[in-house]
Amino acid sequence: LAKTTQPISMDSYEGQEVNITCSHNNIATNDYITWYQQFPSQGPRFIIQGYKTKVTNEVASLFIPADRKSSTLSLPRVSLSDTAVYYCLVGPSGTYKYIFGTGTRLKVLA
Amino acid sequence: DGGITQSPKYLFRKEGQNVTLSCEQNLNHDAMYWYRQDPGQGLRLIYYSQIVNDFQKGDIAEGYSVSREKKESFPLTVTSAQKNPTAFYLCASSRDSLGQPQHFGDGTRLSIL
Repeated sequence: LAKTTQPISMDSYEGQEVNITCSHNNIATNDYITWYQQFPSQGPRFIIQGYKTKVTNEVASLFIPADRKSSTLSLPRVSLSDTAVYYCLVGPSGTYKYIFGTGTRLKVLA
Repeated sequence: DGGITQSPKYLFRKEGQNVTLSCEQNLNHDAMYWYRQDPGQGLRLIYYSQIVNDFQKGDIAEGYSVSREKKESFPLTVTSAQKNPTAFYLCASSRDSLGQPQHFGDGTRLSIL
């Protein structure tokens, strides 16, 4: 199962673009890359999912290079309410097992 | 609105007692999951089920049991064999296809009296 590596924490200011990179060197051919957001005492919430190149939705963009060994979640113009933990997942590689790492704790400052 | 409902939100367990956490989904998803989250940590998979009447152990199944008698329900029992049950428990579901994103409930926080 592919393991992911993310920065433990990041700080940003309101209105800035935030990029969080995730490394997944042993990603398998049929793996998708999925990002979740979690606020304290709540379940994670799906943000975006991609397989290759670039995916964009109303809240974020996901950039995946050709070798797929990393991915970058881009949050445009963050606000204080974007302060949360962001998880990068890769899977499920033929099973239903996902691996949640410790995530990246993003703190948005005024 | 479709979603996942976990109950109760807070639960207290006495020593030697089994407790059951409820998880219900109306998303018509085939797959369901239970995770445990400790403070400041990521999620660890306890059990998962791909289909009714079938379930598999995750990474930390010891001291836990599950059943999947109905598609919409996946209750988790924390048994007395689980010596450190204090944690935040999260239930999730997904469609059966590979790579489908998971939808999570809002969790149950279990504490020991």
